[in-house]
Amino acid sequence: QSALTQPRSVSGSPGQSVTISCTGTSSDVGGYNYVSWYQQHPGKAPKLMIYDVSKRPSGVPDRFSGSKSGNMASLTISGLQAEDEADYYCCSYAGSYTFIFGGGTELTVL
Amino acid sequence: QLQLQESGPGLVKPSETLSLTCTVSGGSISSTSYYWGWIRQPPGKGLEWIGSIYYSGTTYYNPSLKSRVTISLDTSKNQFSLKLNSVTAADTAVYYCARHPSMTTVTLRYWGQGTLVTVSS
Repeated sequence: QSALTQPRSVSGSPGQSVTISCTGTSSDVGGYNYVSWYQQHPGKAPKLMIYDVSKRPSGVPDRFSGSKSGNMASLTISGLQAEDEADYYCCSYAGSYTFIFGGGTELTVL
Repeated sequence: QLQLQESGPGLVKPSETLSLTCTVSGGSISSTSYYWGWIRQPPGKGLEWIGSIYYSGTTYYNPSLKSRVTISLDTSKNQFSLKLNSVTAADTAVYYCARHPSMTTVTLRYWGQGTLVTVSS
């Protein structure tokens, strides 16, 4: 199992939209609709933002959305706000009752 | 409100066994609806799923760590535990416990605050 591939960093200005990609294989991202996304601020535990590719837990703003095409999942944040600056991680079911995370993406709000 | 709290030694010597406990409050680890997992994060690096356990005691492990990991339950204390043997500096990380509803949908909604374990002599 190799970690899912995410860009090291992305950035955007307040009010803009950014998209973070998460690339895997047909054995993980592409094989199942079980991708989740986590936001992590420095020194804090990760927070679930999206699950089952595109579902939002209660309390997560609808500015956050998820999608998937083939072996790549994406997290889009629209109307960027300063508090969105954080690290973001994708996670996928990888078969045989195992999970795999992405390497993480640092989002900077300019 | 469900809360999870990790506890255990913050310093472990190389080749020894890392032992951590996650105490659950506001919910029962005997629930048939949830699984209980461990995830770690080396300093400045990404997240890695270590393994999970169901109320029945059935365990699921990351293949890359399987030979060194044991996860167990203590229902009388509403706790679950992690043991990682033969540790090296590469096992230095913040260790989190978390709850998820199944072994397929990766919905880690509740997390502990994490505990830093350093492997050093």
